Amino acid sequence: KAGVTQTPRYLIKTRGQQVTLSCSPISGHRSVSWYQQTPGQGLQFLFEYFSETQRNKGNFPGRFSGRQFSNSRSEMNVSTLELGDSALYLCASSTGQTNTEAFFGQGTRLTVV
Amino acid sequence: GENVEQHPSTLSVQEGDSAVIKCTYSDSASNYFPWYKQELGKGPQLIIDIRSNVGEKKDQRIAVTLNKTAKHFSLHITETQPEDSAVYFCAASMGGGDDYKLSFGAGTTVTVRA
Repeated sequence: KAGVTQTPRYLIKTRGQQVTLSCSPISGHRSVSWYQQTPGQGLQFLFEYFSETQRNKGNFPGRFSGRQFSNSRSEMNVSTLELGDSALYLCASSTGQTNTEAFFGQGTRLTVV
Repeated sequence: GENVEQHPSTLSVQEGDSAVIKCTYSDSASNYFPWYKQELGKGPQLIIDIRSNVGEKKDQRIAVTLNKTAKHFSLHITETQPEDSAVYFCAASMGGGDDYKLSFGAGTTVTVRA
């Protein structure tokens, strides 16, 4: 079966702009989590959605937001981009049950100039 | 929140030798511990995981051990091969309201020398 699909793979944006990233989970999975990966901070949790509801949120500013649709696809949005937002954004798909396996997509590489 | 520490940050081994990566966690409520392998330009790939009711788990050349009392867990790779070269991350999942969040270690860059 198909894995986790993230689009686009690469993005270049200018400071102050906003960006929307998309994630399609594995078929049948209802949970999508988002992580930011940078060389300095490593992998950091942004938020998790299950059945269109945000269940958990990490320590990121309000400029980072997300949503999930009825088909479990998820989007995350970053507004008023800053240079420090340059990172690899990863989404992880799981069934959403407690402590089950999470499978990652290839990520979206965002560069803010 | 949960804090996961991972050592070493880099590891170079001769092909055929074993590699061991160690992680410690801070919250005793954590009960799920996956390991991921990330190759250049790819997302993390789940390679093995262990839950708190198990002390050891093995899958071919890969094994993970968990010591809940000491709050540490380790990844063991035996008979290393060049394709094992990658960055490895340990993670821990807290119980309760933070069930749906993974806290990651900083990663270990493993290089297998031919």
